Amino acid sequence: GNSVTQMEGPVTLSEEAFLTINCTYTATGYPSLFWYVQYPGEGLQLLLKATKADDKGSNKGFEATYRKETTSFHLEKGSVQVSDSAVYFCALSQAGTALIFGKGTTLSVSS
Amino acid sequence: NAGVTQTPKFQVLKTGQSMTLQCAQDMNHEYMSWYRQDPGMGLRLIHYSVGAGITDQGEVPNGYNVSRSTTEDFPLRLLSAAPSQTSVYFCASSYQRTGKNNEQFFGPGTRLTVL
Repeated sequence: GNSVTQMEGPVTLSEEAFLTINCTYTATGYPSLFWYVQYPGEGLQLLLKATKADDKGSNKGFEATYRKETTSFHLEKGSVQVSDSAVYFCALSQAGTALIFGKGTTLSVSS
Repeated sequence: NAGVTQTPKFQVLKTGQSMTLQCAQDMNHEYMSWYRQDPGMGLRLIHYSVGAGITDQGEVPNGYNVSRSTTEDFPLRLLSAAPSQTSVYFCASSYQRTGKNNEQFFGPGTRLTVL
């Protein structure tokens, strides 16, 4: 069946460091891929998405590229801020299936 | 738009008690769902609904009931609470259940503790 695997956290970085959070997926066909973010005490909100191979989603300085050949959708940011501290979820959606989430990666950024 | 709203924000129950978690959305979304979030487990789907009068089970439905009498509301009922149901519960809604534009909008969550 379909599944999403994320790197385990927590990820601890200093402000202005480069961020990568790995995400790989298993699915037949061509799913849509999403990154959601959950700030402390809040619900999840969509950060970015990509709906076909080689698409790049971007938002708030974060980027992720849909790589069909490696079945990956890694999240990157060139310079993180303390305000980026949150839990990040990779997810996929496909015709006939509901949204499937990874287990989440906690990011902690210190000044 | 208020988006997705949930009440209460916090709740403490004793084992065996029953309660209803409320969820409402004002975006005219057909699809609504309930998740629970536990440490190290990510989000797990409890129940979902593709429209008024239609509900179905997700990954972890045992111990929970739902109904969907209107498009706006999707309450989650715990019939006899157990400590294993201690969790954070999120309600979500979207225009569609599956596919390329399946962006889900989440409520702020209900933190439930069962003693």
